[in-house]
Amino acid sequence: QKEVEQDPGPLSVPEGAIVSLNCTYSNSAFQYFMWYRQYSRKGPELLMYTYSSGNKEDGRFTAQVDKSSKYISLFIRDSQPSDSATYLCAVSTSNTGNQFYFGTGTSLTVIP
Amino acid sequence: EAQVTQNPRYLITVTGKKLTVTCSQNMNHEYMSWYRQDPGLGLRQIYYSMNVEVTDKGDVPEGYKVSRKEKRNFPLILESPSPNQTSLYFCASSALTGRWYEQYFGPGTRLTVT
Repeated sequence: QKEVEQDPGPLSVPEGAIVSLNCTYSNSAFQYFMWYRQYSRKGPELLMYTYSSGNKEDGRFTAQVDKSSKYISLFIRDSQPSDSATYLCAVSTSNTGNQFYFGTGTSLTVIP
Repeated sequence: EAQVTQNPRYLITVTGKKLTVTCSQNMNHEYMSWYRQDPGLGLRQIYYSMNVEVTDKGDVPEGYKVSRKEKRNFPLILESPSPNQTSLYFCASSALTGRWYEQYFGPGTRLTVT
């Protein structure tokens, strides 16, 4: 069983739509949850970070973690064409330089 | 400018011919890591290093070697490449404290082994 499962999409939405991206993970020891964004032909860049359960908001982006169901989500409000990218969830067990496990990524296209 | 650099960006080689992909960061980060990215499999960690002379295996270390002799450099070595190592490779670095979860990725190295 993979550590992190993510629907690969692709996902195509009209500009202004609300986007929901989701991952599930297998190990309840994971405490740190991240979302990275990867534009075509580029390396991933950190978008959001959450520790343990709860919500975190940053502008149009909201990251949500439900540890009881081992489910992590990223919501994008008022989506823009510039949001078109691949979104990868990532998990880690500790903050002492441990391993990172990434989902396969969801490809998102926002149509003007 | 804070950055992670990788060289070469593109490489085509033949089975069995040893190669090295270099990685360098200018942010004084303790943590460095190598990943490979494949369609349908996502980003998988090959090796990581928490500091000079300290390295550890990730999820898919078979067929790869690394070394960390200097803090800024973390080369990836394929001593006898095989076609199943054809992939897109990323080097990343981060601090061990503060924003440790923020990995800075290099631009990627596309490797083809024939």
